[in-house]
Amino acid sequence: DGGITQSPKYLFRKEGQNVTLSCEQNLNHDAMYWYRQDPGQGLRLIYYSQIVNDFQKGDIAEGYSVSREKKESFPLTVTSAQKNPTAFYLCASSLRGYYGYTFGSGTRLTVV
Amino acid sequence: GQQLNQSPQSMFIQEGEDVSMNCTSSSIFNTWLWYKQDPGEGPVLLIALYKAGELTSNGRLTAQFGITRKDSFLNISASIPSDVGIYFCAGRSPGGSEKLVFGKGTKLTVNP
Repeated sequence: DGGITQSPKYLFRKEGQNVTLSCEQNLNHDAMYWYRQDPGQGLRLIYYSQIVNDFQKGDIAEGYSVSREKKESFPLTVTSAQKNPTAFYLCASSLRGYYGYTFGSGTRLTVV
Repeated sequence: GQQLNQSPQSMFIQEGEDVSMNCTSSSIFNTWLWYKQDPGEGPVLLIALYKAGELTSNGRLTAQFGITRKDSFLNISASIPSDVGIYFCAGRSPGGSEKLVFGKGTKLTVNP
């Protein structure tokens, strides 16, 4: 079955450590997105990529980095520069010309 | 970044009641989407609307694309306990961008 997979579901890290969240899709979608979700804040866009080897900053990109070396993969690194990294992170993908996103099941990151 | 105004923020209803929620924007959209997010999961697309005035149903759910292209509403009839979750509206602006703008969500609680 086609879908978008985020791993791991839960992640714990110590403050000051970088951590990478995985996002893989086998839907042959062109575009991929990373969102952060905090209670009451809705979905805030971190980074997005519409094509391999190209990506753009979203509304809250500071302290995060991404890469898009393959169409199927869009990993997100939460760096030590991110001041408040504890949150629920959602990855999504979409097909060019079709405006609905398919979301992964999310990764809950807790930094202690 | 651009945001949609989604209301209400939360709703507490009894099983069997009808529910209505809406989203408004200060600018026009050419696509409106409604998503549902179960606790701890990613949002799932419920209904997509592509034309002003369009009224679309999906089971007990009905959504409309406002005539002014600046608003949309979602109705749920005869609510059941599994309707619990967060409902998000999302819109796409004219101009070629593939990005969606999301509302902050309506949290629905259904009492049996």
